[in-house]
Amino acid sequence: EAGVTQSPTHLIKTRGQQATLRCSPISGHTSVYWYQQALGLGLQFLLWYDEGEERNRGNFPPRFSGRQFPNYSSELNVNALELEDSALYLCASSRETKMSETQYFGPGTRLLVL
Amino acid sequence: AQSVSQHNHHVILSEAASLELGCNYSYGGTVNLFWYVQYPGQHLQLLLKYFSGDPLVKGIKGFEAEFIKSKFSFNLRKPSVQWSDTAEYFCAVSAGNNRKLIWGLGTSLAVNP
Repeated sequence: EAGVTQSPTHLIKTRGQQATLRCSPISGHTSVYWYQQALGLGLQFLLWYDEGEERNRGNFPPRFSGRQFPNYSSELNVNALELEDSALYLCASSRETKMSETQYFGPGTRLLVL
Repeated sequence: AQSVSQHNHHVILSEAASLELGCNYSYGGTVNLFWYVQYPGQHLQLLLKYFSGDPLVKGIKGFEAEFIKSKFSFNLRKPSVQWSDTAEYFCAVSAGNNRKLIWGLGTSLAVNP
């Protein structure tokens, strides 16, 4: 079974630009989660999508947005990039929304904002 | 606000030593508890999880963790570590019906052969 995949693996942008990160969940998984792992701050929850709907959002400004497509893949968009957005962005997926479901993580997209 | 703290940021052990990594969380209601591991060059993978039932949970590769509700703790243990256990270990908690994971800052474990 293929795992969670993310693209691109690395992304370099300049301040003020927009970044688009993509995630494909494990087949059969309907929930997708996005996390930011910034240096020194640990993993921070960004967004949770299930069945195409945003279910929960972390404490991030509105310029962080995303969507989930009918095939359950997801995009994370970051507008008006700032230097502190440089981080590893991790995507995870899970089956259904039962509390017992494990979140499986992808390899991440490393975003560098210059 | 909910939070997770991992007491040890860096741990260095020799092979065959015993391991215990501390994890405490702040939330008074029902919690779901996880330990994830990230081996060098690999992505996060689940070691073990607790949702309900027996508070002593066994995971992969000989790891176990004990949920002590009165202490808000979920410490990770392994009786005898191996060089291949060198990795970063993360404790995470989801609270109530919320699926988002709140993470500790991680513990970097180095096992010397």
